[in-house]
Amino acid sequence: SAVISQKPSRDICQRGTSLTIQCQVDSQVTMMFWYRQQPGQSLTLIATANQGSEATYESGFVIDKFPISRPNLTFSTLTVSNMSPEDSSIYLCSGGGLAEYNEQFFGPGTRLTVL
Amino acid sequence: GQNIDQPTEMTATEGAIVQINCTYQTSGFNGLFWYQQHAGEAPTFLSYNVLDGLEEKGRFSSFLSRSKGYSYLLLKELQMKDSASYLCAVRDQIGAGGYNKLIFGAGTRLAVHP
Repeated sequence: SAVISQKPSRDICQRGTSLTIQCQVDSQVTMMFWYRQQPGQSLTLIATANQGSEATYESGFVIDKFPISRPNLTFSTLTVSNMSPEDSSIYLCSGGGLAEYNEQFFGPGTRLTVL
Repeated sequence: GQNIDQPTEMTATEGAIVQINCTYQTSGFNGLFWYQQHAGEAPTFLSYNVLDGLEEKGRFSSFLSRSKGYSYLLLKELQMKDSASYLCAVRDQIGAGGYNKLIFGAGTRLAVHP
């Protein structure tokens, strides 16, 4: 199994600023994903971080708001840009293997509060 | 469209058995996952089913019927620490580049009482 760490674990930010969240996996994974979890709700996929190419975004999420980097098979960043209070949420990084792999792991999450 | 349904809340007694159901309608299917999530923590992988039938892993078992779009998670010998949210997620096959993404249900909050 893969161990995933995220930095920062939590932050309180001012409206209009940006925050970059880092995700580190202790082994190479084919796929890395970024999710958002609003309080009391389930997980919503923001985008898939592709190594060596642009991230693939889900409906309702755009690159200008959530730019993503994935320079190698063990690391990714998600930036929440021009933040507003509606962006307050937990952001989770996830990693998994190919379709034949049967597990997908999650990082501990980054709890973001925007004032 | 994509739809995954599970009960919002359930309660059970310590030592008992509880079954959490999940029904799904998705464009593609490449496996169903169950995760446990304690409040304020990340989801923890519990089980994965891609073929019909029952998968047993200690106190937890998971069942899948692909023809019915149905799964359940069975928890035996309940303990207080099993109080958590249980998330059903389907691995879909659609998406740009053919990647396999997980679509999550809203989760079932289980409260275990003495």
